[in-house]
Amino acid sequence: AQTVTQSQPEMSVQEAETVTLSCTYDTSENNYYLFWYKQPPSRQMILVIRQEAYKQQNATENRFSVNFQKAAKSFSLKISDSQLGDTAMYFCAFAGNQFYFGTGTSLTVIP
Amino acid sequence: DSGVTQTPKHLITATGQRVTLRCSPRSGDLSVYWYQQSLDQGLQFLIQYYNGEERAKGNILERFSAQQFPDLHSELNLSSLELGDSALYFCASSAGTSGSSYEQYFGPGTRLTVT
Repeated sequence: AQTVTQSQPEMSVQEAETVTLSCTYDTSENNYYLFWYKQPPSRQMILVIRQEAYKQQNATENRFSVNFQKAAKSFSLKISDSQLGDTAMYFCAFAGNQFYFGTGTSLTVIP
Repeated sequence: DSGVTQTPKHLITATGQRVTLRCSPRSGDLSVYWYQQSLDQGLQFLIQYYNGEERAKGNILERFSAQQFPDLHSELNLSSLELGDSALYFCASSAGTSGSSYEQYFGPGTRLTVT
């Protein structure tokens, strides 16, 4: 069965610093996709970044980038130049035959 | 704005009652997913529909049911409500079936309070 694990329930970072959120997953599928979603206090779920498993190049979206290690089944999210608006819950998600979400990491950006 | 709409935004009802939550997917999206998120909890996948057909089922209670109509909008019906059903209910849509290459876009959610 597919599982998505986020081992850091809570994290904090100083404004303008860099933080990395961890995600590991377990699957026997070879073709799949990985996503990071952000849920700010407004509770809206916002897609942050996506990664295709067949691509070796790590995805980037402005200040957000991923470190995708397929063999290790690891998919971490790096947030550079952290801003107060990055304070949110971050969910890692796996998309293969079905969609699975991790339990989330609560990130607080400290002014 | 994700393009996914959900109504109502808030719903307050009593135990034992029945409610219907409505979702309209993004234009062109064929898949609709329903999730439940209790306070300070992760997302619990309930059910997925693709082009009117049930495609996948998660931890959905027997008291809950859903359907997707020919115009692709979906409704989630919750009956015999209990206090523990109080939660934020999200609808999401995607272009394809299952997860595959199609990311899900979420609506703003319906906050259900059962008193």
